[in-house]
Amino acid sequence: QQNVQQSPESLIVPEGARTSLNCTFSDSASQYFWWYRQHSGKAPKALMSIFSNGEKEEGRFTIHLNKASLHFSLHIRDSQPSDSALYLCAVTGGRALIFGTGTTVSVSP
Amino acid sequence: EAAVTQSPRNKVAVTGGKVTLSCNQTNNHNNMYWYRQDTGHGLRLIHYSYGAGSTEKGDIPDGYKASRPSQENFSLILELATPSQTSVYFCASGDVADNQAPLFGEGTRLSVL
Repeated sequence: QQNVQQSPESLIVPEGARTSLNCTFSDSASQYFWWYRQHSGKAPKALMSIFSNGEKEEGRFTIHLNKASLHFSLHIRDSQPSDSALYLCAVTGGRALIFGTGTTVSVSP
Repeated sequence: EAAVTQSPRNKVAVTGGKVTLSCNQTNNHNNMYWYRQDTGHGLRLIHYSYGAGSTEKGDIPDGYKASRPSQENFSLILELATPSQTSVYFCASGDVADNQAPLFGEGTRLSVL
């Protein structure tokens, strides 16, 4: 059974700083790796995904994936107050996404 | 526009009562999912479906049943609700095997008293 863990549980970052979030998974056969963002009281929304080792950048967001280390990460540069949210990583487990426990990010102006 | 609609948005139920949460999608996705979200646990998979007539157990299926009568509709049923099932429930649709990010509904907040 897929086990997905996130760290840290929460963090506070100043506006304009770089934020790094981590996710580890247990099944090396996993194919797709996702980051979701959830603002308070709202639905989770997909940010971006990656399926091969390496790095993918979209705007201020970058994903790194290392399948051998069972680890992927999300980096946010120039953090904005609107980035304050719960960030959830997810890994494919069969035909469903299995989610981590989340990291709460608070960006202080 | 792609959409997943859940009803009701809020529900208060009594212990031992039956609760049905409904979900409708207009995306023509084969796969649909039910998750619950509790503080400290992220999103946990309860049941999912590959298409009309199919339901599969997720990671925490005990105490829940699911029904997929059509491509568009997927229900979650609590036959005998318990206070431990107080949570926020999210429905989603999306074909994960094709790297389609599941699209989530706005959630149903359920309180079992």
